[in-house]
Amino acid sequence: DTGVSQDPRHKITKRGQNVTFRCDPISEHNRLYWYRQTLGQGPEFLTYFQNEAQLEKSRLLSDRFSAERPKGSFSTLEIQRTEQGDSAMYLCASSRGYGTEAFFGQGTRLTVV
Amino acid sequence: GIQVEQSPPDLILQEGANSTLRCNFSDSVNNLQWFHQNPWGQLINLFYIPSGTKQNGRLSATTVATERYSLLYISSSQTTDSGVYFCAVEPNAGGTSYGKLTFGQGTILTVHP
Repeated sequence: DTGVSQDPRHKITKRGQNVTFRCDPISEHNRLYWYRQTLGQGPEFLTYFQNEAQLEKSRLLSDRFSAERPKGSFSTLEIQRTEQGDSAMYLCASSRGYGTEAFFGQGTRLTVV
Repeated sequence: GIQVEQSPPDLILQEGANSTLRCNFSDSVNNLQWFHQNPWGQLINLFYIPSGTKQNGRLSATTVATERYSLLYISSSQTTDSGVYFCAVEPNAGGTSYGKLTFGQGTILTVHP
């Protein structure tokens, strides 16, 4: 069990560029979650998958955001036409399922300049 | 959705002191977790405790599900305990915010030598 892995750890991009983040969950976990955290706040839910199915998307997830989990394994989160307000820590988590313990990755810190 | 309130928002201690952090939530839950966020932003699992009491070294936690609160106790605090502590809950099936963790705003703990 190597834990939840996120890549990259840090990303600096210019406003208007597209960025993509990757999350590799714990291998036997069916659920995968994306959260966003800004300075001084708790993590806020963005979306989650049960296997390859995306079950819920937050209102925070604008049309510029898209997430996928092909084959129910790793997941990607893409932000198109980045804005300065997208600067945040993006956290990925996984769990076995409903009501079970979730584990988080190290996060990807995005800075939009 | 479910509301999660943590108190106090900030706590300053001398090394060796004891402390209690509180988490109140507005609906019945089937998952409650306590996390410590390290300086690099990763959420470290402390307790998975939807009900009952658990202890791990100097840390212990109690959740009284019927009264909708949880407490995290830190005894003989050390400087390495400094950081942000988050409580996160997942409501029972059928509740709003079902299916994922909702976080409180956190308690910032500072332990001075």
